Amino acid sequence: NAGVMQNPRHLVRRRGQEARLRCSPMKGHSHVYWYRQLPEEGLKFMVYLQKENIIDESGMPKERFSAEFPKEGPSILRIQQVVRGDSAAYFCASSPFAGRDYNEQFFGPGTRLTVL
Amino acid sequence: QKEVEQNSGPLSVPEGAIASLNCTYSDRGSQSFFWYRQYSGKSPELIMSIYSNGDKEDGRFTAQLNKASQYVSLLIRDSQPSDSATYLCAVSAGGGNKLTFGTGTQLKVEL
Repeated sequence: NAGVMQNPRHLVRRRGQEARLRCSPMKGHSHVYWYRQLPEEGLKFMVYLQKENIIDESGMPKERFSAEFPKEGPSILRIQQVVRGDSAAYFCASSPFAGRDYNEQFFGPGTRLTVL
Repeated sequence: QKEVEQNSGPLSVPEGAIASLNCTYSDRGSQSFFWYRQYSGKSPELIMSIYSNGDKEDGRFTAQLNKASQYVSLLIRDSQPSDSATYLCAVSAGGGNKLTFGTGTQLKVEL
């Protein structure tokens, strides 16, 4: 399967715990984007990364959230000290390059985070 | 004013009819426009991308872009019950930029 992979698909955490969400982009893609979809709300951009670089984190909450995309391995979205309001679907998308006209982003299956 | 606006619906059309979905955006610097389909509980699936004014056809789908009016539309011909989903309009300033999504239009194709 050459699609975007995310794991876990479902994650349950208690308030105050840490959540780690992983994303492996499609083969040949070097650009990774994270989006969050709250219940009954639209998809909201969080962060855009390339290997070892955060390019745009304008959508990331200032506290508790961080993201990385190391040279080796998947991209990680980390949420520290989770609160109930963090319960949402977190989607990762990847694109092959960042040319002017080509920004097609392909989404993974998502991680559904539930905070108890 | 929302950056990307869509009518939330639901839009109901009979099987075999043409479904017309509309989207307006506020940022005149937008360069890339996309339509995604999202089934309930699933992830968004890219169905159309358009970058230039005019029409772009792919099978039963036609995307239309009018940058002067800041308007994007999606036509689905010969609508099928399997087309019932939420359709998300997404806009970008171009390569290497985030997507800004509308809240989606729910389409129901009735037998």
